[in-house]
Amino acid sequence: EVQLLESGGALVQLGGPLSLSCAASGFTFSNYAMSWVRQAPGKGLEWVSGIVGSGGTTNYADPVKGRFTISRDNSKNTLYLQMSSLRAEDTAVYYCTRGRHISSLYFEYWGQGTLVTVSS
Amino acid sequence: EIVLTQSPATLSLSPGERATLSCRASQSVSNNFLAWYQQKPGQAPRLLIYDASYRATGIPARFSGSGSGTDFTLTISSLEPEDFAVYYCQQRSDWLGTFGQGTKVEI
Repeated sequence: EVQLLESGGALVQLGGPLSLSCAASGFTFSNYAMSWVRQAPGKGLEWVSGIVGSGGTTNYADPVKGRFTISRDNSKNTLYLQMSSLRAEDTAVYYCTRGRHISSLYFEYWGQGTLVTVSS
Repeated sequence: EIVLTQSPATLSLSPGERATLSCRASQSVSNNFLAWYQQKPGQAPRLLIYDASYRATGIPARFSGSGSGTDFTLTISSLEPEDFAVYYCQQRSDWLGTFGQGTKVEI
């Protein structure tokens, strides 16, 4: 059974850093692209960043480019999102998602999400 | 960057009725790389359709996707009580995962 377990969500100060992790199990982690998708309270879905199975290619949504860094450790079956210079508009539930294959930006499996709240 | 516009914002229907949801792209979606998701309150979204018309694993046949280029449709042939939810389209051209703003299907 595919499982994605996010951690690291917290209340953080405006402008501060925060790191999220996603522990994956139930599949061969390196064979799948992974992404972070977020949802602000009461709002729609927003893709944040993605990384291919090897880790060699990454991409970011414009609102987070230059502030967020996605990475993965295939030996630990773990996906990461390092966030810096956090803004109020970054407040959201952050979902870890798995693609349909090694370079897929479709989100076939989702974690339950971790809440990031940015406050002044 | 491709912008996806979904319509209508809200669709009020009854169980047993047919639902037709639209997703229009600001420019052509390459290879029809378009997906549909369902999200119920308090839950993570679920992938329904990918590549415009292929049902994901375990998705009932009453869900179907169609369209190409800039115009895509999700059809639910006969609404079941559990289908009342918010639906999002998403494209993956140029390895950017843009979502539409969602359509709420309500009773």
